[in-house]
Amino acid sequence: DAGVIQSPRHEVTEMGQEVTLRCKPISGHNSLFWYRQTMMRGLELLIYFNNNVPIDDSGMPEDRFSAKMPNASFSTLKIQPSEPRDSAVYFCASSQYSNPGNQPQHFGDGTRLSIL
Amino acid sequence: GQQLNQSPQSMFIQEGEDVSMNCTSSSIFNTWLWYKQEPGEGPVLLIALYKAGELTSNGRLTAQFGITRKDSFLNISASIPSDVGIYFCAGTRSSNTGKLIFGQGTTLQVKP
Repeated sequence: DAGVIQSPRHEVTEMGQEVTLRCKPISGHNSLFWYRQTMMRGLELLIYFNNNVPIDDSGMPEDRFSAKMPNASFSTLKIQPSEPRDSAVYFCASSQYSNPGNQPQHFGDGTRLSIL
Repeated sequence: GQQLNQSPQSMFIQEGEDVSMNCTSSSIFNTWLWYKQEPGEGPVLLIALYKAGELTSNGRLTAQFGITRKDSFLNISASIPSDVGIYFCAGTRSSNTGKLIFGQGTTLQVKP
C-alpha cells in the first residue's frame, strides 16, 4: 500500500521566495497533519485537517505560513515569503478519522527545506 | 513548548543488550504512541497504546501505558544494529482530537 507521499524531498531556495510543499495522504484517511522538525524544537504540529477542514492551526508560526486541503487526496503548505529560520524538515502525516485521537498517524518521508 | 519529557536523551549500547526508555508528563494523556525515525525518513509507528495499564508487544519491542496515564515506557530486548535510530514517544491529551504531542526523542546507537 502506498504511504503518505510528500514532494519535493529536498528544496533549496533563496530567502524571500515562495515555497510550496505538497502532500498526498493515505487513501481513505480523513485526517491530515503538517509538522515541522528542527534540532532545537523537535517535532511540532503546525496545522491539521479533518475531512479537508482545518481544525487547529495554532502551531502555524506566523502569517507567512498557510495550508490548504482542496480535496481528500491533496494538501499544500506554503511559505511566502520564506526566511532562513524556516529551514527545517517538514512532515505530512495522515490517519483515519473514525475515532479521532485513537487512530495512529502515519508519516511521509518529509521535505528538507533550506532557505539561503 | 514540549509537554512530554523523554529520557534518556541518548544511549550507546552493545549489541544484545536490552534497552529501556520512558516518557513522562505532568498532564494526563489518552493515547501513547512510540515511533522510530531513521535518517532521511519520517517517523514510523512502532506501538500504539490506548488504555491505562495496557502492555503491548511488537516483536522484541514492548511498551506500556502507565496506570496514572502520565507516563509510558518502551523496552527493546536483545538489541541489534538495525535498532539504531531516534525513538519518539507521542501522545494525545483528548480523545476528541488527533493532535499529537511529541517527546524530544531518544537517540539509540548499537555497537556490533
